[in-house]
Amino acid sequence: KAGVTQTPRYLIKTRGQQVTLSCSPISGHRSVSWYQQTPGQGLQFLFEYFSETQRNKGNFPGRFSGRQFSNSRSEMNVSTLELGDSALYLCASSFGVGYEQYFGPGTRLTVT
Amino acid sequence: LAKTTQPISMDSYEGQEVNITCSHNNIATNDYITWYQQFPSQGPRFIIQGYKTKVTNEVASLFIPADRKSSTLSLPRVSLSDTAVYYCLVGERDTGRRALTFGSGTRLQVQP
Repeated sequence: KAGVTQTPRYLIKTRGQQVTLSCSPISGHRSVSWYQQTPGQGLQFLFEYFSETQRNKGNFPGRFSGRQFSNSRSEMNVSTLELGDSALYLCASSFGVGYEQYFGPGTRLTVT
Repeated sequence: LAKTTQPISMDSYEGQEVNITCSHNNIATNDYITWYQQFPSQGPRFIIQGYKTKVTNEVASLFIPADRKSSTLSLPRVSLSDTAVYYCLVGERDTGRRALTFGSGTRLQVQP
């Protein structure tokens, strides 16, 4: 069974721009979560979707948004990028909310 | 949600058994306990999940005492490749109530 895929793997953007990251979950998984990982803050939860509905949300500003499609694929968007948004963005899928999560390789975003 | 406490770091040698304990004094009746492993610049990898007593898979064992206020991840005969950060999370299934933060984890260093 194919694992979680994330695109793109690497991205360089300029301050003020916006970015969209994509995640394809494992087949049959209906829950997708997004995390931001930085050396200083560790692994921080952004949001979780299940059946196209946001089930949980972390403590991030409104510039960070996400959505899930009917095929469980998910996207997250960051608008008005700031230097501090440079991070590894990880997507994880699971059978359902609260079940074990399987992570993708991540998207490395660099904001200059 | 139950707060988890783990040792910040542990050292071991190849071939030894390593036990990492996680304290979760306020665990709720429906909470599951899940452990993840993370290597640098990669997403966490699911290791094992349990509810009570003992769970074993091809990678590790998870021991949960009757009061469920703690759990111990046991890695048999570790190798250098087991050097990683290990996270313990607790949370419910199928509801929005689950652990959203990975905390600081336990950094395991395996020496030759």
